[in-house]
Amino acid sequence: GEDVEQSLFLSVREGDSSVINCTYTDSSSTYLYWYKQEPGAGLQLLTYIFSNMDMKQDQRLTVLLNKKDKHLSLRIADTQTGDSAIYFCANRGGATNKLIFGTGTLLAVQP
Amino acid sequence: SAVISQKPSRDICQRGTSLTIQCQVDSQVTMMFWYRQQPGQSLTLIATANQGSEATYESGFVIDKFPISRPNLTFSTLTVSNMSPEDSSIYLCSVVLIQKNIQYFGAGTRLSVL
Repeated sequence: GEDVEQSLFLSVREGDSSVINCTYTDSSSTYLYWYKQEPGAGLQLLTYIFSNMDMKQDQRLTVLLNKKDKHLSLRIADTQTGDSAIYFCANRGGATNKLIFGTGTLLAVQP
Repeated sequence: SAVISQKPSRDICQRGTSLTIQCQVDSQVTMMFWYRQQPGQSLTLIATANQGSEATYESGFVIDKFPISRPNLTFSTLTVSNMSPEDSSIYLCSVVLIQKNIQYFGAGTRLSVL
């Protein structure tokens, strides 16, 4: 079945850039999403990218998609302590139209 | 975007009882989903809520345990039946807006079963 993998943990210093990586197996993906979950909260949609794009930038966020390698990344510029959260990559499969979530990456920002 | 109201936001329940969670959206949506997030885990899709018909359940989830209703385009309920401590999780409602491919989530219902 479809699978989405992420590294579990990333620690960065405030002001540095963070790069969170995600790999997926479904070659028929249509859209890929990044969600943020702060402690005790629901999921906040950060950004998404259509599968025929290779980059999308939105303020401090840059999404890179390598469709050949099935690799997605989220770069957060000038990371702040308020960016500390769990980040989920999610893939909408072309065949099922369902959202498959990655395992989540805990981003810890050190002051 | 969509505003998704999910109630209750949290509850503590006794083993063997049932809890019904409500999800109300302020926009017309095409699809509504229910997810479960067990402690420290990612999200797992329970079912797709279909308007006016039975929900479509994922493998490992059954209607007797998680009955779902969706009487109209903007409202759905999920019931967690005959609860046990293993049902302690966050349950999240999610929607896809008409003519969009963006999926939004409610704030979730934090359920603890004693």
